[in-house]
Amino acid sequence: DAGVIQSPRHEVTEMGQEVTLRCKPISGHNSLFWYRQTMMRGLELLIYFNNNVPIDDSGMPEDRFSAKMPNASFSTLKIQPSEPRDSAVYFCASSWPGRSGRGIDTQYFGPGTRLTVL
Amino acid sequence: AQKVTQAQTEISVVEKEDVTLDCVYETRDTTYYLFWYKQPPSGELVFLIRRNSFDEQNEISGRYSWNFQKSTSSFNFTITASQVVDSAVYFCALSGINTDKLIFGTGTRLQVFP
Repeated sequence: DAGVIQSPRHEVTEMGQEVTLRCKPISGHNSLFWYRQTMMRGLELLIYFNNNVPIDDSGMPEDRFSAKMPNASFSTLKIQPSEPRDSAVYFCASSWPGRSGRGIDTQYFGPGTRLTVL
Repeated sequence: AQKVTQAQTEISVVEKEDVTLDCVYETRDTTYYLFWYKQPPSGELVFLIRRNSFDEQNEISGRYSWNFQKSTSSFNFTITASQVVDSAVYFCALSGINTDKLIFGTGTRLQVFP
């Protein structure tokens, strides 16, 4: 079975440019999570969706960040305009809601996108 | 508030040594879930184990074992006879019944030398 798929795996861009990160969750999973990992702040949850609906975006750093989930098999995280401090590894994870209907089952992570903003 | 503490920032051992990674958590939830993830040098996050708060049985999987003690709010991870391939950063994480969020610890970097 395919795991969580993220693209691109690496992205290098210049300050001010728009960056779009993509994620395809595991089939059948309907909770999707976006995380950011940096040396300074560790793993931070940015936003998560249940059934394509954003549930909690309190971790999104600022208005330059936006995320969408137009359908159950695709999500994007967009940064516009990008800044050097956005350089990090961005992970997407998905989980199955289980009997409760909540995403508290195990989260499976994609390989991450390493973003470098020059 | 929920919190996960991994006090050991880095541990170095020689191959075949046993090593225990500590995890202490805080939560007000009576039902919660604990996890361990492994992040090898290649960077991906690999799920290792999930434990429910109402199941305090220890778990063993090959060279890996986990000791869950609610009385001390700890969920420690032991690798027996460590191998170089065990070198990675290991994260402990917590989620509660009322949230879908995973709260991660800061991780413990394990280096196993040949």
